Amino acid sequence: ETGVTQTPRHLVMGMTNKKSLKCEQHLGHNAMYWYKQSAKKPLELMFVYNFKEQTENNSVPSRFSPECPNSSHLFLHLHTLQPEDSALYLCATRGAGGSNEQFFGPGTRLTVL
Amino acid sequence: GESVGLHLPTLSVQEGDNSIINCAYSNSASDYFIWYKQESGKGPQFIIDIRSNMDKRQGQRVTVLLNKTVKHLSLQIAATQPGDSAVYFCAEFINQAGTALIFGKGTTLSVSS
Repeated sequence: ETGVTQTPRHLVMGMTNKKSLKCEQHLGHNAMYWYKQSAKKPLELMFVYNFKEQTENNSVPSRFSPECPNSSHLFLHLHTLQPEDSALYLCATRGAGGSNEQFFGPGTRLTVL
Repeated sequence: GESVGLHLPTLSVQEGDNSIINCAYSNSASDYFIWYKQESGKGPQFIIDIRSNMDKRQGQRVTVLLNKTVKHLSLQIAATQPGDSAVYFCAEFINQAGTALIFGKGTTLSVSS
């Protein structure tokens, strides 16, 4: 295990639903990331938080709303999604210091009907 | 735009053979590279990394080679085992571009007994 957990592991939702994805880390890391992984495509960076402050928003539609209430938790709030938003959503963390290694959670498999 | 890519989407080998997975990158400012392994149903897992001031780094059964002249990265797996079957991603880090990694599409390695 990497020390990064994500819940739920699977989520099916309609286009009018509101749901949230949760990421929790026990590594004491300062940077947290949301990625989208679609079939046959590279991982797409969505958001970056450093010390609970959002430092990057990679042109993500407003129907995705991140929240970082503390250094251990990261949420991705979902609202009025589209079927093309169906994908694996991965959370990752990175510690301070010289290493740029990112530790990934297992992901949430999202299906939008 | 800048991109990180892999030469082949799939690679099939026999158990015991050596595997070589290739990656081409286009940004000469990249100064750090990581290889990740992603098994089905799991998030990417760190395998090995290399900084741009090195051209080779060895781990347990894995070797990463970096050729900055042609912007090429490779992952060599010795004595490939069925448990090595997974998708392998290369990722680059451009220090001036912030804190995010840029990922390639991935190569699916299949190992048959």
